[in-house]
Amino acid sequence: DAGVTQSPTHLIKTRGQHVTLRCSPISGHKSVSWYQQVLGQGPQFIFQYYEKEERGRGNFPDRFSARQFPNYSSELNVNALLLGDSALYLCASSLGPVNQPQHFGDGTRLSIL
Amino acid sequence: GENVEQHPSTLSVQEGDSAVIKCTYSDSASNYFPWYKQELGKRPQLIIDIRSNVGEKKDQRIAVTLNKTAKHFSLHITETQPEDSAVYFCAASIRHTNAGKSTFGDGTTLTVKP
Repeated sequence: DAGVTQSPTHLIKTRGQHVTLRCSPISGHKSVSWYQQVLGQGPQFIFQYYEKEERGRGNFPDRFSARQFPNYSSELNVNALLLGDSALYLCASSLGPVNQPQHFGDGTRLSIL
Repeated sequence: GENVEQHPSTLSVQEGDSAVIKCTYSDSASNYFPWYKQELGKRPQLIIDIRSNVGEKKDQRIAVTLNKTAKHFSLHITETQPEDSAVYFCAASIRHTNAGKSTFGDGTTLTVKP
């Protein structure tokens, strides 16, 4: 069975641009969460989606948005990119939204120049 | 919001020794505590988890203990092997109105010397 897949693997953008990151969950998983991981730190929670609805949001500005599609895949959008947005963006899927084991993808490495 | 502190930030042990990593959390409503192992350049992988209605859980060489009163939980790895070398993250998860939000610690870099 395929695990959580994310695309692209690497991305280079400049300040002010926008970016869209994609995630496909494990088959059967209906919940997708997004995390930002800065080097040397643990993942920071950005969003959780379940059944196409936003179920949780972390302390990130409105420049960050996301959505979940009927097939449970998800996109993370970031507008007006800042240098500080450079990080590894991880997607995790789980069967349900509450206290279920999360399975991470390999992440998208975003670099802002 | 929830705050998770993890100690130590680095840990070096000899092969065969035990390793212990400790985490404390601030929100007594947290009720799910997973541990992840992340090797360099790879995804975090769930290695063990524990729920708040359980005090201890063991899976071969790995065990986790939870003290709800003190709001801390620990990862114990026995008979360490070089392949255990990685960054380990603890997390605390709170259930809020049909959603789960996980707060991670900053990680412990474990080095197992052969």
